[in-house]
Amino acid sequence: AQSVTQLDSQVPVFEEAPVELRCNYSSSVSVYLFWYVQYPNQGLQLLLKYLSGSTLVKGINGFEAEFNKSQTSFHLRKPSVHISDTAEYFCAVSEYNTGGFKTIFGAGTRLFVKA
Amino acid sequence: GAVVSQHPSRVICKSGTSVKIECRSLDFQATTMFWYRQFPKKSLMLMATSNEGSKATYEQGVEKDKFLINHASLTLSTLTVTSAHPEDSSFYICSARMLASGSVTDTQYFGPGTRLTVL
Repeated sequence: AQSVTQLDSQVPVFEEAPVELRCNYSSSVSVYLFWYVQYPNQGLQLLLKYLSGSTLVKGINGFEAEFNKSQTSFHLRKPSVHISDTAEYFCAVSEYNTGGFKTIFGAGTRLFVKA
Repeated sequence: GAVVSQHPSRVICKSGTSVKIECRSLDFQATTMFWYRQFPKKSLMLMATSNEGSKATYEQGVEKDKFLINHASLTLSTLTVTSAHPEDSSFYICSARMLASGSVTDTQYFGPGTRLTVL
């Protein structure tokens, strides 16, 4: 991928409200798409991934994302967030080219869930 | 899920010394491990790709003589920051890819990271 853009650096939201974290990418080849979550002082955990098939992907903790090829987007959604969802979320795009298999990460979106 | 550990979790060293960070896949074999660097409020930057038994592939702009990577076994990769300087202070994260199906799209599992502070 040439680049991965997470449009919001921070997203504050009240508990039980819906949330969407946006991710756009640019690439000239077929890509595989991922969302990771990073809790404070922990490593990244895979939330969900899109490899092929249905463009709507369901992940852990009630998250889902939709791959939109025409808009080169892979936005993450959750219909009702919890305090425990407060974390940093990273969108990542992997592509395979002559240089090998490479993953590029977005800058991250800090989701802050308020009571 | 698969577990990847890093040791140490935090290290403080004097400028000019070398620091070794270990990355282990605890319950699976990882033919490929990746080393990332994460700056405050920034994304992860891939430093190098490490394949077991072969030389690491470094990303453009990463000094291979400064960041030595060794992938001696299917469960262990090490990153040595040689002659560390304050600008090397950062959060270093490794990941391991488990080729369960032989597909390059197999999931990466990330370690918890190592916080390096160079005084």
